[in-house]
Amino acid sequence: NAGVMQNPRHLVRRRGQEARLRCSPMKGHSHVYWYRQLPEEGLKFMVYLQKENIIDESGMPKERFSAEFPKEGPSILRIQQVVRGDSAAYFCASSPYPTGESSGELFFGEGSRLTVL
Amino acid sequence: AQTVTQSQPEMSVQEAETVTLSCTYDTSESDYYLFWYKQPPSRQMILVIRQEAYKQQNATENRFSVNFQKAAKSFSLKISDSQLGDAAMYFCAHTPGSSNTGKLIFGQGTTLQVKP
Repeated sequence: NAGVMQNPRHLVRRRGQEARLRCSPMKGHSHVYWYRQLPEEGLKFMVYLQKENIIDESGMPKERFSAEFPKEGPSILRIQQVVRGDSAAYFCASSPYPTGESSGELFFGEGSRLTVL
Repeated sequence: AQTVTQSQPEMSVQEAETVTLSCTYDTSESDYYLFWYKQPPSRQMILVIRQEAYKQQNATENRFSVNFQKAAKSFSLKISDSQLGDAAMYFCAHTPGSSNTGKLIFGQGTTLQVKP
């Protein structure tokens, strides 16, 4: 059973470009979470999605950031008009249940490192 | 606000010795989960150990154990017989058990160095 797959592992963008990060959850998992890790910091929650629904986006910046998890295909975190402050590692995690109905464990991918020049 | 604090930015331990990493948290919830995650240089987050707040017994996973003090809101990780492969950044995390949003709250992390 493959783990959570994220791609690309590394992405370099110039200021003003768009960044798209993809996440395929573990097989059988329908709950996806995105976290951001700035250098030397812990992970910060961004958004929680189920298939075709955004459940909680309280950690998402109000502008330029969006996320989706379509019925078919991976979840995508999209950052428009990137700025240097967007440089970070973006982690995707998945679970088979809402965490309130399970042990709370999330299964993380290896992250996508975005560098904005 | 819910917070997680790791007061030790860096720790070091001699191979085969024991080390304890500290974590305190703040929550108004009565039911919640606590976790320790390990982040090696590969950067993947690996679950080390999990504790349910309603369980009084401290969780144990092989060489890893926790000291969970609910009243003090303390959740320390003890690594026994430290190995070189234990070198990594360790994050303490917390999530409300009554919540279904998967909103883990992480501490700032502790970098553990294991000396041969």
